[in-house]
Amino acid sequence: QKEVEQDPGPLSVPEGAIVSLNCTYSNSAFQYFMWYRQYSRKGPELLMYTYSSGNKEDGRFTAQVDKSSKYISLFIRDSQPSDSATYLCAMSAEISWLTGGGNKLTFGTGTQLKVEL
Amino acid sequence: DGGITQSPKYLFRKEGQNVTLSCEQNLNHDAMYWYRQDPGQGLRLIYYSQIVNDFQKGDIAEGYSVSREKKESFPLTVTSAQKNPTAFYLCASSIGGQVYNSPLHFGNGTRLTVT
Repeated sequence: QKEVEQDPGPLSVPEGAIVSLNCTYSNSAFQYFMWYRQYSRKGPELLMYTYSSGNKEDGRFTAQVDKSSKYISLFIRDSQPSDSATYLCAMSAEISWLTGGGNKLTFGTGTQLKVEL
Repeated sequence: DGGITQSPKYLFRKEGQNVTLSCEQNLNHDAMYWYRQDPGQGLRLIYYSQIVNDFQKGDIAEGYSVSREKKESFPLTVTSAQKNPTAFYLCASSIGGQVYNSPLHFGNGTRLTVT
């Protein structure tokens, strides 16, 4: 079983729809949760990150973390064709710079989203 | 504009040849990383470096080598020992190692095809 599970899609929705993207995880030590967006043949770019449980909103995007269920979600409101991309979740336990642990993230496989006109 | 430059965008090599992928950043970040991305798999960490002249193996370092002689540069060599080198390679950097305050910034990748 992978540490982070993410449905690869593809997910196809009409313009204006609300999109829900999800990841589940098994490592209860994860405390930091991120969503990256990756356009075709480009590098991922950070969309949002959250610490521990709760919601975080940024424009049309809302990130939600439920640590009790080990489940995170990204909601996109009023989806646009420009939102068509692959969305990667990523997560990490706390790594201390002082112990030389480095920056280590565990990524999901990504969900391919297509928003159609 | 600050960012990470990976070159070339596409690279083709014959089996048995070593190949070096370039990564340069002008973000003044201390930490740099190499990831590999394959269909159906999450990004996997190959090597990372927190400071100049120091680097550590990631989860899949076998068949790869790196150097960090300058803060701006972190080249990756894919050696002939790497069993399945064809993949999309991503370089990233961050200010420091504590993930909450230093999210990763990625380059646009190099697609390596070995035949």
